[in-house]
Amino acid sequence: EVQVVESGGGLVQPGGSLRLTCVASGFSFSVFEINWVRQTPEKGLEWVAYINGGGNTIYYADSVKGRFTISRDNAKNSLYLQMNSLRVEDTAIYYCAPGGLKYFDYWGQGTPVTVSS
Amino acid sequence: DVVMTQSPLSLPVTLGQPASISCRSSQSLVHSDGDTYLNWFHQRPGQSPRRLIYRVSKRSSGVPDRFSGSGSVTDFTLKISRLEAEDVGVYYCMQGTHRPPVFGGGTRVEI
Repeated sequence: EVQVVESGGGLVQPGGSLRLTCVASGFSFSVFEINWVRQTPEKGLEWVAYINGGGNTIYYADSVKGRFTISRDNAKNSLYLQMNSLRVEDTAIYYCAPGGLKYFDYWGQGTPVTVSS
Repeated sequence: DVVMTQSPLSLPVTLGQPASISCRSSQSLVHSDGDTYLNWFHQRPGQSPRRLIYRVSKRSSGVPDRFSGSGSVTDFTLKISRLEAEDVGVYYCMQGTHRPPVFGGGTRVEI
């Protein structure tokens, strides 16, 4: 059974940092492309970042480029999202979604991030 | 970026009756490899999205056959043949042909 579990969300002030973690099991993690997606009531679902299985191909949405860094540790079946220079508009539920840019096969339950003073 | 437009925004349906959701893209979703990467997702209240359909018409594992997807190029449709109570929630289309992937705004299905 596929399991995807995100953690690391919370309340942070504008300009602050957070590191999200996604731990997955039930599939061949090291060969799976994975995305981060966020959701807000106002903007809906928004793709944030992508990383391939080897970690050597990475893409970002323009809205987070230069501020967010996606990475992975295949030995730990883990994916990370380092979020720096956070803005109020980064407030959202963040989902880990294995399956690549074309498919988004699986989704975790999400971790909420609130950026507020 | 590609723009994905869904209609209607809200869809009241009677249990046992069919439902149909439309999704239009601002440009062709036919990839250079010949496939069309159009997915449909369902999100129940308080839950994360779950993929129902990929590549226009292929059902994901465990998805009941009352769900079907169709369409081509820029016009796509999700159909539910007979609505069940567990089908309420928001449905999203998503294109994966062009980078960045883009989701539609969602269609809320309610009883």
